[in-house]
Amino acid sequence: QLQLQESGPGLVKPSETLSLTCTVSGGSISSSSYYWGWIRQPPGKGLEWIGSIYYSGSTYYNPSLKSRVTISVDTSKNQFSLKLSSVTAADTAVYYCARLSTNDYGDAIVFDYWGQGTLVTVSS
Amino acid sequence: QSALTQPASVSGSPGQSITISCTGTSSDVGGYNYVSWYQQHPGKAPKLMIYEVSNRPSGVSNRFSGSKSGNTASLTISGLQAEDEADYYCSSYTSSSTLLFGGGTKLTVL
Repeated sequence: QLQLQESGPGLVKPSETLSLTCTVSGGSISSSSYYWGWIRQPPGKGLEWIGSIYYSGSTYYNPSLKSRVTISVDTSKNQFSLKLSSVTAADTAVYYCARLSTNDYGDAIVFDYWGQGTLVTVSS
Repeated sequence: QSALTQPASVSGSPGQSITISCTGTSSDVGGYNYVSWYQQHPGKAPKLMIYEVSNRPSGVSNRFSGSKSGNTASLTISGLQAEDEADYYCSSYTSSSTLLFGGGTKLTVL
């Protein structure tokens, strides 16, 4: 059974960089059928897609966050990571990692497996 | 990109049917059959309930069904049960190769 687990600091200071890692077990991150992504949810609010990455390193980002986001993949460790720079209190959220299944054209279209999420608070 | 539009809340009694709408544009919901629906209970991760407009993953009850007309997709839950009380989110692929969520709908089972 595929499992995803987020890890990283639960507290980040304003203006610093938020860094999280997602470890995938029970399946290979190098599978050609999937993308891997990050989604966040501020307390009491809705879901927001942050971005997705293919095992080859190809990425897609939410335009509203693109200037501050970097997603990378480490196939040797079966992990992918998120970096969000210049954080503010508005970036306080539960951050989820997820697997995305693709269509026949290779487009990432649905989040089919999710991690349990990790709360990151931005505060001094 | 603006979030897809969902009603903030819906409610129904046990055994009844409810429908949650998800409205977008021709660049997302209306342009592709790549709408999915997620159920989220408090403190839990979202769970995929419907993908590609109307397909159910293995293990999801057939009480859940999806459809689409124009720029609006819908999730229908029939035979409402107490355990269905949760937040529901739609998502769509977009013409920019990005993914967009709806604002979420809180379902209350009366």
